Amino acid sequence: DQQVKQNSPSLSVQEGRISILNCDYTNSMFDYFLWYKKYPAEGPTFLISISSIKDKNEDGRFTVFLNKSAKHLSLHIVPSQPGDSAVYFCAASARGTGNQFYFGTGTSLTVIP
Amino acid sequence: DGGITQSPKYLFRKEGQNVTLSCEQNLNHDAMYWYRQDPGQGLRLIYYSQIVNDFQKGDIAEGYSVSREKKESFPLTVTSAQKNPTAFYLCASRPSRNYGYTFGSGTRLTVV
Repeated sequence: DQQVKQNSPSLSVQEGRISILNCDYTNSMFDYFLWYKKYPAEGPTFLISISSIKDKNEDGRFTVFLNKSAKHLSLHIVPSQPGDSAVYFCAASARGTGNQFYFGTGTSLTVIP
Repeated sequence: DGGITQSPKYLFRKEGQNVTLSCEQNLNHDAMYWYRQDPGQGLRLIYYSQIVNDFQKGDIAEGYSVSREKKESFPLTVTSAQKNPTAFYLCASRPSRNYGYTFGSGTRLTVV
């Protein structure tokens, strides 16, 4: 059963506009969340993280929002740039699970110049 | 530079053969992980190891085996028992709980 879900397989956004990528999770024990960016045939690279004690974390153009009551997190990219075109994975981790992360299925973002 | 090295980048295997994927890290990370990526299915955990000489099965361990004889190395063997081995395999490591993974660049395995 998929514990982390990204229901939008793809997203297209005009350059300069905001990209919003969404992620839902089912396990209320998850307390640490990450977003990764992945290009084809490469390993994912870390983008931004948030722990459950926060509801927002910002790093430059990237902001992650966490809504614990809704079990929902989102990644905002403002402004979007063509180089942001990639697959984005959200991941979640809980204490006592061997420190493993559970990954969503990914959202492919295309930023149109 | 510190990082994770996976080799080879591309690997072809005949049906019925075992094959071993290499993963080496010089980050001094305690925990290491193997994931498999298939189209539309995200990353699924095969095996993980939190300390040397110890490892646990992930969600899809059947048909795979691992060893962790050294902190730096966590090789994955894809055995002939794995029914659908063609996939992109990712190795990752993590220093401790409140840090994310560092991933290798992956190995694309194709069964011919």
